[in-house]
Amino acid sequence: QVQLQESGPGLVKPSQTLSLTCTVSGGSISSGGYYWSWIRQHPGKGLEWIGYIYYSGSTYYNPSLKSRVTISVDTSKNQFSLKLSSVTAADTAVYYCARGGVAAALGVNAFDIWGQGTMVTVSS
Amino acid sequence: SYVLTQPPSVSVAPGKTARITCGGNNIGSKSVHWYQQKPGQAPVLVIYYDSDRPSGIPERFSGSNSGNTATLTISRVEAGDEADYYCQVWDSSSDHPGVVFGGGTKLTVL
Repeated sequence: QVQLQESGPGLVKPSQTLSLTCTVSGGSISSGGYYWSWIRQHPGKGLEWIGYIYYSGSTYYNPSLKSRVTISVDTSKNQFSLKLSSVTAADTAVYYCARGGVAAALGVNAFDIWGQGTMVTVSS
Repeated sequence: SYVLTQPPSVSVAPGKTARITCGGNNIGSKSVHWYQQKPGQAPVLVIYYDSDRPSGIPERFSGSNSGNTATLTISRVEAGDEADYYCQVWDSSSDHPGVVFGGGTKLTVL
């Protein structure tokens, strides 16, 4: 079965760029039919969608984060990545990668598979 | 932007029925998905497309969606159902479409 695993630094300094990678196993990103997303959860808070990428490289971002977010895909490694620039303490959160079904009009359906999440702390 | 409103908490005795609501403007016209999240774990999809259950999710979990309210119903509640529950939609109705999550509901089993 498909599994997702996040990786990356657990500590990032303010104003720097947060970089995370999600490795997909048990299935191919290139098979299509899914949007590969990043979602975060601030400590003790709810879920916030960051954005998604299709295997072709098409992306769509949360408008509230769009100016700082870049999501990319490497189909040869079966990975997709998140870069969040100019981070502050407000970006401290658990970051999840997740697989979502493709819906009409660029929409994404349910997230049926999630990574375990990785905690990222922004601090000097 | 589109807002999904959930009660912060719901309490229920074991064996009883828990109902968790998710309110949104004309939410009945959207597909609603529900997630269960236990402490320290990633969310798990329990209901998709308003009322469908992924494989492995007990029949005790069901969903409905009409008008301005979607509801997750958990029958014969067990201690292991204690968790946070989130509803989610794709909102295409605003100028900036996107994934929207409700604020979450903490289910306490008394």
